[in-house]
Amino acid sequence: EAGVAQSPRYKIIEKRQSVAFWCNPISGHATLYWYQQILGQGPKLLIQFQNNGVVDDSQLPKDRFSAERLKGVDSTLKIQPAKLEDSAVYLCASRGYKGQRNTGELFFGEGSRLTVL
Amino acid sequence: QQQVKQSPQSLIVQKGGISIINCAYENTAFDYFPWYQQFPGKGPALLIAIRPDVSEKKEGRFTISFNKSAKQFSLHIMDSQPGDSATYFCAASRRAGANNLFFGTGTRLTVIP
Repeated sequence: EAGVAQSPRYKIIEKRQSVAFWCNPISGHATLYWYQQILGQGPKLLIQFQNNGVVDDSQLPKDRFSAERLKGVDSTLKIQPAKLEDSAVYLCASRGYKGQRNTGELFFGEGSRLTVL
Repeated sequence: QQQVKQSPQSLIVQKGGISIINCAYENTAFDYFPWYQQFPGKGPALLIAIRPDVSEKKEGRFTISFNKSAKQFSLHIMDSQPGDSATYFCAASRRAGANNLFFGTGTRLTVIP
């Protein structure tokens, strides 16, 4: 079974530039998450999708961050304009079900490391 | 506000020793407590998880101990191996994991041969 795919793996940009990250979850997983992991910290949720609808975006800095999951499969996270403090690893995760039961387990991709100069 | 507090920040253990990592939470609505393991350059991966209806769960060398009254849970790694060297995150969520997972700050474990 293929895992969660993310690209690009690394990105270096100047502050005030824009950047986009792409995620393809595990096939059949309805729930998709974007987490931000700053060096030395635990992942922090940015946004959670159920199919193509937003479940939780309370921690998303909406003045500069946006995310979409148009067809309920892959997703894009965009930052515009980027700030120095956005330097982090952006992790995508997906969650599935066994029958009708939520397993609770999140499957993470390897992440996209962003450096803002 | 940190929903889940984790300690220690780093831990060095001799091969064959026991590694113990502790976490505490405040929100009594949390009902799902997983531990994730992360190697450098990789995403976190689920190691073991517990729900509050049991006080302990064991899977191989890994054990979660859960104290509901104290709102604390811990990960014990028995017979620690160099291959266990990684960063470990505790986490908690409501609705059996359907809601957002709140992660601790992580513990970097180094197992010395």
